Amino acid sequence: GENVEQHPSTLSVQEGDSAVIKCTYSDSASNYFPWYKQELGKRPQLIIDIRSNVGEKKDQRIAVTLNKTAKHFSLHITETQPEDSAVYFCAASRGADGLTFGKGTHLIIQP
Amino acid sequence: EAQVTQNPRYLITVTGKKLTVTCSQNMNHEYMSWYRQDPGLGLRQIYYSMNVEVTDKGDVPEGYKVSRKEKRNFPLILESPSPNQTSLYFCASSFYSPWVGDNSPLHFGNGTRLTVT
Repeated sequence: GENVEQHPSTLSVQEGDSAVIKCTYSDSASNYFPWYKQELGKRPQLIIDIRSNVGEKKDQRIAVTLNKTAKHFSLHITETQPEDSAVYFCAASRGADGLTFGKGTHLIIQP
Repeated sequence: EAQVTQNPRYLITVTGKKLTVTCSQNMNHEYMSWYRQDPGLGLRQIYYSMNVEVTDKGDVPEGYKVSRKEKRNFPLILESPSPNQTSLYFCASSFYSPWVGDNSPLHFGNGTRLTVT
């Protein structure tokens, strides 16, 4: 089955700086790569996703890049704000058997 | 309002006492899934269903059962709960197009925190 590795497990950045979280996947048949944000005590919520026919996608301060050859994808958050503090999960899917998640990155925004 | 509803939100039980966590979605989604979340382990898939009467094991199915008799409901059953099933459980759903093997984004319920003593 699919295996998703996520790094780092904890990331601390100064408010206003950029944050980058990286994930690798093992199954070359995976074609859908979402990122979820989970605030303390709440459910995961989708923040951005990318499909395998696209190399990069942006939504305001958030962007995701995908390198299919290397089987890795990354989340980029620019101009970080206190409300960006949360746990972020990457995931990969072939479609038929759902999502396999990384173990999560705890992002801490230092004031 | 489009949503995935899980009940109960919190549950404390004893070893061996059968329990069911209910999950219902009102978005006419074909695909439904159960995950458990444990510190340091992320979200791990227990079971999933691509449509009515179709269920499959995920990565950690041992000790769990599911059923999909109706499109909107996907209950999680623990026949004989054990302390290692203490966890935070999430139900999720999405559209699924089997013709292209393509999922839409997952919508999660609010979670059920289960404690087995």
